[in-house]
Amino acid sequence: NAGVTQTPKFRVLKTGQSMTLLCAQDMNHEYMYWYRQDPGMGLRLIHYSVGEGTTAKGEVPDGYNVSRLKKQNFLLGLESAAPSQTSVYFCASRRDMTANYGYTFGSGTRLTVV
Amino acid sequence: DQQVKQNSPSLSVQEGRISILNCDYTNSMFDYFLWYKKYPAEGPTFLISISSIKDKNEDGRFTVFLNKSAKHLSLHIVPSQPGDSAVYFCAGSNTGNQFYFGTGTSLTVIP
Repeated sequence: NAGVTQTPKFRVLKTGQSMTLLCAQDMNHEYMYWYRQDPGMGLRLIHYSVGEGTTAKGEVPDGYNVSRLKKQNFLLGLESAAPSQTSVYFCASRRDMTANYGYTFGSGTRLTVV
Repeated sequence: DQQVKQNSPSLSVQEGRISILNCDYTNSMFDYFLWYKKYPAEGPTFLISISSIKDKNEDGRFTVFLNKSAKHLSLHIVPSQPGDSAVYFCAGSNTGNQFYFGTGTSLTVIP
């Protein structure tokens, strides 16, 4: 049981390049989330999904897009990377709203934009 | 604007003693709270939760206390163990979906 798997684990981008971060979960969870963590700040929600085919904006959605074409996958896209998007990105999933509210997190993707 | 604040960036405790990690929030509409711990190079791991209908929730060595009037919650770890050394985050939500996280407290348990 792999839980939540994030790909890649590390990436360096040049300003203006694009990339997609992949999150995959094998727990049949309905809810999936993308967070970013920056030094001196808490985890901040970028986008989330409450089920296959649905997405919604979180606290800091600008500069990112997401897709949830399959229940088990949640993709985070950066169309034109900026240095301000240098961060550690965490994906998380949760079975539903009636669960114990706990997320299962992936191990993170460290992205550097130069 | 930080809706959840953890004002102590770090805490050191002797093994076997109690660790108390504190968290304050500003949004009076928050009704669900979570605690996570995080080891370096790993994702956060869910620890314990509490809803606003309770003022205390226990799970083994971990107890979370909620004081709604003070907008304050705390996590007690008794007894503390070296393996508890990690960064602890608290988070609050008023929808059960979008959680707002604090900046974390780094706990060091000294053997």
